[in-house]
This record gives sequence, C-alpha cells and structure tokens, in this order.
Amino acid sequence: EVQVVQSGAEVKKSGESLKISCKGFGYSFTSHWITWVRQMPGKGLEWMGRIDPEDSYTNYSPSFQGHVTMSVDKSINTAYLQWSSLKASDTAMYYCARLRFGVHKPCDIWGQGTMVTVSS
Amino acid sequence: DFQMTQSPSTLSASVGDRVTITCRASQTISTWLAWYQQKPGKAPKLLIYAASDLESGVPSRFSGSGSGTEFTLTISSLQPDDFATYYCQQYNTYSWTFGQGTKVEVK
Repeated sequence: EVQVVQSGAEVKKSGESLKISCKGFGYSFTSHWITWVRQMPGKGLEWMGRIDPEDSYTNYSPSFQGHVTMSVDKSINTAYLQWSSLKASDTAMYYCARLRFGVHKPCDIWGQGTMVTVSS
Repeated sequence: DFQMTQSPSTLSASVGDRVTITCRASQTISTWLAWYQQKPGKAPKLLIYAASDLESGVPSRFSGSGSGTEFTLTISSLQPDDFATYYCQQYNTYSWTFGQGTKVEVK
C-alpha cells in the first residue's frame, strides 16, 4: 500500500529544537516531491514548502522561510521538518504529503499528521 | 504571492441538495487547481485535480470546473458523508497555496 507515515505527537517548551519525520512506503520515494502543510488549531491549511528527495532541492513559502528547515534521507525514504528554536505560535498539526509525479502535482497521499504542542 | 479566495466560508445544506463552492485565484493559474475534503481530526483527501479531473475512488457526485481565475466544486446530491470542510489549492509555478476553506454543515 502506498502511504506516508509521520512520527508521533510532540510536547516541547519554547526555545527547544525539534525534528519530525515523514516516511514513504510502497512507492519510489525519490520520484515524488514531499510537501509540508501546517494547520493551527481550528484554522485552515497553510503550505509551508516542498522538497525533492532526489537532490534535496527545496522551496519554502515566504511565510515559513527561515523559520523551519526541510531535509531528506533518501537511504531510508524519510523526509524531515525541523525547528531550531520553537515558539508557542508553532503549536499546530503538521502534515506531510506526497506530490503526484507528472505535469499536475496535487498532494495525492497524506500522512496522518504530527501534533506539535509548544508551551511558553 | 498567489491568493486563493473561497466562497462561502460556511454553507448550510441538507442531504440531497446540490452544493457549489467557488474559488477565485488572484492571478491566472490555467487549470493548476485541486480540491480537497477534510473531516475533523483527519488528514485532507484529494478529490479533484487539474481543475476537473476526478481522483480515483472519489464518487462521481463530485465535479470540478473552471480555468484561469474562477473555479467551482459541485456536489450534485449531498450525502451524509459529505459534511466536511473543503479547500481549493493552486499549484502553479513552485508554490501550493490553499484557499481558506468552506465548511459544509447540516442545515
């Protein structure tokens, strides 16, 4: 079965660092870009950026540039989203999603989400 | 930066109703548009891509139309499982911008 599986919920304090993961199963991991999406409590979906697992090329939404870092380890089919210094405003559900290969690139396979809670 | 504006923000409807949600792009995006459904506590689910192509396994009561800057998602006959929040998303150039969402609730 094609799926992406995310790491579990995290509870952190302001100023701490964090790295969450997204592992692909059942497909060629390097053939599909991975994107990250934030959903703050009770709010809508926000696109954060995307990474190409083949060469680690990234592009970020201006809203998130400099606040998070995306990376991959293609040897273990895993993408990462990390923060060096968390803020209370980073409290949210974070989804990774696979982007379809081809001309049209919607998010076709979604992870289950990782809830990040940051206390001040 | 692209802006995607959905209307309405909330829609009250009954089972069997025909429902239409509109999405407007701040710049022309050809047909680089997708629609997603999200239920509480769940990840979004892809319904439509390329503005009008139905994702495999999605019921045929869902349809999409439009190009350029104006797009619609239509549910021909609303079913109990369709009460959810719907998002449009453009994927022109190297950005993937979501609309703010439309919640379809029970009338």
